[in-house]
Formats: sequence, C-alpha cells, structure tokens
Amino acid sequence: DGGITQSPKYLFRKEGQNVTLSCEQNLNHDAMYWYRQDPGQGLRLIYYSQIVNDFQKGDIAEGYSVSREKKESFPLTVTSAQKNPTAFYLCASSRGVSNQPQHFGDGTRLSIL
Amino acid sequence: GQQLNQSPQSMFIQEGEDVSMNCTSSSIFNTWLWYKQDPGEGPVLLIALYKAGELTSNGRLTAQFGITRKDSFLNISASIPSDVGIYFCAGQLRGNEKLTFGTGTRLTIIP
Repeated sequence: DGGITQSPKYLFRKEGQNVTLSCEQNLNHDAMYWYRQDPGQGLRLIYYSQIVNDFQKGDIAEGYSVSREKKESFPLTVTSAQKNPTAFYLCASSRGVSNQPQHFGDGTRLSIL
Repeated sequence: GQQLNQSPQSMFIQEGEDVSMNCTSSSIFNTWLWYKQDPGEGPVLLIALYKAGELTSNGRLTAQFGITRKDSFLNISASIPSDVGIYFCAGQLRGNEKLTFGTGTRLTIIP
C-alpha cells in the first residue's frame, strides 16, 4: 500500500544527544514536510522540501536539521541545540504542485530522559 | 506567520447530535483543508475545498469554502462514537505548498 512511514513510533533522547527521525514515502510525491505538535496546539512547520537536494526552513527551524538526498526520504535530526524537544513530530508529503493536499504519517513521539 | 482562528476549541455532545465548527483567517486562502486526528496518530484528510463558495460532502461531513475566502466551516451530521477526535482546518495559498493550521477542535461524545 502507498503511504508515509515514520519511525520509530517512540523515541527517547538524553540531554546533549542528537537524534534522527525517519520519514519514508512511496507515493512518488515531490514535496515533504516536518511538523511539530505540542499538546493543545496546532501543527507548526519545521522544515520542508519541494525537490530532492533542496529544503527550506519553516517557522520553527532552530535546533533542527534535515536532508533530502532521495525523493522518498526526508529524515529530521533533533540536535542538542533544541532545548525543548519533547513533542509529537509529524511528517507529510504532497505532489508538490500548487493546491495539492498534504498527507501525513502516524508520527513519532520524542521524549527526554 | 499567519494565524487561523478555529472555534470552538472543544465540544461535548451526545451521540446523534449535529456538530458545527469553523475557521477564520486574517488572510485570503486559495485552498481550505479539513483533517481529523485520532490520539497518537497523524491527521487524516477529510475534505479539500478549492473555490470560494464551494460546498463539498464526504458522507456525514459537509464543508464550505467561505465567499470571502477568509473562512471555512465543517458540519458533521448525526454524530457517532468514531467521530471523536481533534479536527483541524488548514489554509493554503496558490503557488505555495505551505499550510497554515488552526489550533483544532476537540470533539467528545458524552455517553
């Protein structure tokens, strides 16, 4: 089945440690996105990529990094510079053409040990 | 960034009741999307609206793209237990894939 796969489902980080969240899609979508969701809040955009080897900062990019070496993959690294990383992280993709809706994975919940 | 005001923040209803929620924006959007999120999962697209005044249904769900292009409405008729969850609106500008999300409406069904 076509879809977006995020892994792991749950992730724990120690202080000062970088962690990487995986996002893979087999929908042949050009654009991919990372969002952060905190309790009682909407989704906030961290980074997005409209094409391979290119990505742009979203509204809350500080403390995060991404890469887009393959069309199918858009991993997110939460660095030690992100002082409040505990959140639910959602990856999405879209065809990349204007007005095409985004489809989401099932998320990764990151917690601090 | 742009802000979307979504209301109400939460709703407590009995099974079988109809539900209405809305989103308003200070900016004009070209596309309005409605998503539903269950606990611990990602949002699932319910309805996409592309034209001012458009009224679109998906089963018991009906959404409308406001004439001013600054608002959208979602109605759920004859609610059932599986309707429980958080509903998000999102607006999109033409030529820009970025979405702006509302803060969500949490729907709870009282036994």
